[in-house]
Amino acid sequence: QVQLQESGPGLVKPSQTLSLTCTVSGDSINSGPYYWSWIRQPAGERLEWIGRIFASGSTNYSPSLNSRVTMSVDTSKNQFSLRLSSVTAADTAMYYCVREYKRAAYFDYWGQGTLVTVSS
Amino acid sequence: EVVMTQSPATLSMSPGERATLSCRASQSVSSNLAWYQQKPGQAPRLLIYGASTRATGIPARFSGSGSGTEFTLTISSLQSEDFAVYYCQQYNNWPRCFGGGTKVEIK
Repeated sequence: QVQLQESGPGLVKPSQTLSLTCTVSGDSINSGPYYWSWIRQPAGERLEWIGRIFASGSTNYSPSLNSRVTMSVDTSKNQFSLRLSSVTAADTAMYYCVREYKRAAYFDYWGQGTLVTVSS
Repeated sequence: EVVMTQSPATLSMSPGERATLSCRASQSVSSNLAWYQQKPGQAPRLLIYGASTRATGIPARFSGSGSGTEFTLTISSLQSEDFAVYYCQQYNNWPRCFGGGTKVEIK
């Protein structure tokens, strides 16, 4: 059974960098046709895809966030990470790490989510 | 960028009734569409992919149809655990994007 778990600070100050890590268990990040993605959801709003990373380190980011997003992967720890710079209140959201099936790009396993609030 | 529009925003139904949820894409996404269910305080759960294929463990009362720009999720007989928010998501074009959701509530 694949499980994903987000971790990181729940409160970030405006203009600073949001950093989250996702730990994967029950599956190896290196194995299988999967991307590892981040998706966020502001309260009461629709889900927003942030970007994805493959085990090799190749990435794709949402055009709207591309200038502020960096993703990385640590296969030795079976983890992948998200960094979002220059945050504002608009970045306050529930952040999910998600497994994406490479051949079809739907999201089949989700972490429980972590709430990140941007506030001074 | 593709825009996904779901209707209605809220569907008030009684248990046992048939629910029909719609999702429209601003341009063709072929059959590259998924449906997710989200309950309060939980992460979304994959229900349908490829517009009509049920994900592992999803009950047969959930069915998806459509292609191109018009899609439908049907719940044949609503159970108490089906009252939730449902999202469609296209994965044909960049960036991947979701609809605004349909809330299925108890009437």
